[in-house]
Amino acid sequence: SQKIEQNSEALNIQEGKTATLTCNYTNYSPAYLQWYRQDPGRGPVFLLLIRENEKEKRKERLKVTFDTTLKQSLFHITASQPADSATYLCALERNAGNMLTFGGGTRLMVKP
Amino acid sequence: DARVTQTPRHKVTEMGQEVTMRCQPILGHNTVFWYRQTMMQGLELLAYFRNRAPLDDSGMPKDRFSAEMPDATLATLKIQPSEPRDSAVYFCASGPLESVYTDTQYFGPGTRLTVL
Repeated sequence: SQKIEQNSEALNIQEGKTATLTCNYTNYSPAYLQWYRQDPGRGPVFLLLIRENEKEKRKERLKVTFDTTLKQSLFHITASQPADSATYLCALERNAGNMLTFGGGTRLMVKP
Repeated sequence: DARVTQTPRHKVTEMGQEVTMRCQPILGHNTVFWYRQTMMQGLELLAYFRNRAPLDDSGMPKDRFSAEMPDATLATLKIQPSEPRDSAVYFCASGPLESVYTDTQYFGPGTRLTVL
């Protein structure tokens, strides 16, 4: 079955630095991968989608890479701000359909 | 600003009681998902509907859970009888079926269920 690994330990960084979160997966070759943000007490919010034939996708201060050989996606937030503090989830498409399998998420804390 | 709505937001019940959670997907969306989130297991897919038809409920305990879409504006998740291990946050999400390569999911605020 699909296995998705995100660093379960919180990532603490200083404001203004670049945050890099990792998502590793095994036992599958997803057609696309998505990143979501989740704040405490709220549902996940979609951020970015990257397809298997795309190496990199950007949106404002966010950048996602997708290495299908390494089976890894990296999520970067440049010029991080305290407001970026949240849990970030990666999700892989599964079964060639619309369903997603989510990783456990990594909590990011940006300190002023 | 279209949003997925869920009711109730919080539910405390006793073991053995029936629990019904409701979801109103975003108007025009034709895929609906039910998820359960716990600290230990993370976000797990329970059920998936497309155009109101159940396509996958392999993640759902069949003996006590049931999911339905009586119409395009309402999805329900029912637990009968509830057990303490069902305590979790239950999310509903909906999405537009444009392409399998572009689909994103829009999550509701969740129902926090506590079974005593």
